[in-house]
Formats: sequence, C-alpha cells, structure tokens
Amino acid sequence: AQRVTQPEKLLSVFKGAPVELKCNYSYSGSPELFWYVQYSRQRLQLLLRHISRESIKGFTADLNKGETSFHLKKPFAQEEDSAMYYCALSSQGGSEKLVFGKGTKLTVNP
Amino acid sequence: GAVVSQHPSWVICKSGTSVKIECRSLDFQATTMFWYRQFPKQSLMLMATSNEGSKATYEQGVEKDKFLINHASLTLSTLTVTSAHPEDSSFYICSARSPGGGSPLHFGNGTRLTVT
Repeated sequence: AQRVTQPEKLLSVFKGAPVELKCNYSYSGSPELFWYVQYSRQRLQLLLRHISRESIKGFTADLNKGETSFHLKKPFAQEEDSAMYYCALSSQGGSEKLVFGKGTKLTVNP
Repeated sequence: GAVVSQHPSWVICKSGTSVKIECRSLDFQATTMFWYRQFPKQSLMLMATSNEGSKATYEQGVEKDKFLINHASLTLSTLTVTSAHPEDSSFYICSARSPGGGSPLHFGNGTRLTVT
C-alpha cells in the first residue's frame, strides 16, 4: 500500500534559518513524489516534483530511494514561506491518484 | 494558468438533505477530475475519480450511493452528498489535470460542508 508520512505537524524557524520538512514514503514500486503548498486562504498548488529536479522559490527536494525519503529543504527561510506543506506520492506510469501526507505547518518568524 | 473553480465555498445543511458541490475547469478541458475529502488536522483522502461520460471510480470504503458523482461535460464534475449526516461534515476538494504530458494537478478552493 502507498503511504506518505510527514512526522512534523508544526515547524517553526526564524527568518534566514535553514528549513527542512521531512517526508518518508512507503511504496513497493517506483513512485513519483511531489510537494504541494497551501498558503493562507489559498488553494493547494504544486511546489515541485522529483522528476523535474528543479528549485522552486529556493526549495529543493531529493528523492532518496534507499531511505525512502523526499525531504524538502531551503537554506534561508523567508516569512512568505509560512504555509502548509503536503508531501504526496503517485505511482509512476501515468497514475494520477495522489496519496498525501498529513501536512506540516511551517511558520517563519521575523 | 489553469484554474479549477469549486462552488459553493461553504454550505450548511440539515441532516437528511442532499448537497451538490460543483467543480469546474475554467480554461481547459478535463476528462478526469478527482474528489478529495479532508477532516480537520488530517490529510486529503481521495474519494473518487470522476470520468467524463462514464461512471466514477470510487476508492475503497467510499459509498457510491452516498456520494454521487456526475461528470457530464469536459469542464464540470459534481459531487452530491445524499441524505447528509453530521459525520459527513468535512472539507471537500476537487482537482483536475490540464492537458499536456506531465502537467500538474490543479486544485479547487474546496467546499466546507457542515451538516447540522
């Protein structure tokens, strides 16, 4: 069964500090991993996906198959990064079903 | 960019009544839309996959007679919560994928349903 675990419900850092939001997954096949973000009073939107290997808004995430992790990182957090972050998984090969983690609420303090 | 509109944003209904939630893709056609449910402080749970012109595919444990899905056109899917009960109170979110290989899912703003 597919499962996504985000161990931290809340994460609070100061502006300029590094931030890492943890995500671990369980899936027997080859997964596609995503990070979605939801800013206050806005809809859920895609932040990045592992197959793109890109940096969005300074965030990066590397898929570690050995550790079955897809942690989201940013070296210098900004106040506007405060939001709810969801890690999600789908099976490779075109499946559109997403399995979400419970989310981590990131607060960046001034 | 691609936009998914959901209506209403919130609704309060009495126990036993039915409520319809609409999900529209505003500037693209979506043969497939997805309905999620989110309880407070919980994750989004996929309820069903809505397929244009055919029956929806429900996830295990989701009652198809309780949550009726109709995908009548390439831009509209509806979710009807029939004979609602207080335990159906939740946040319902739809999503759709814009055309093109590798395009991401776009989410609606969600509908907060409260059944009294």
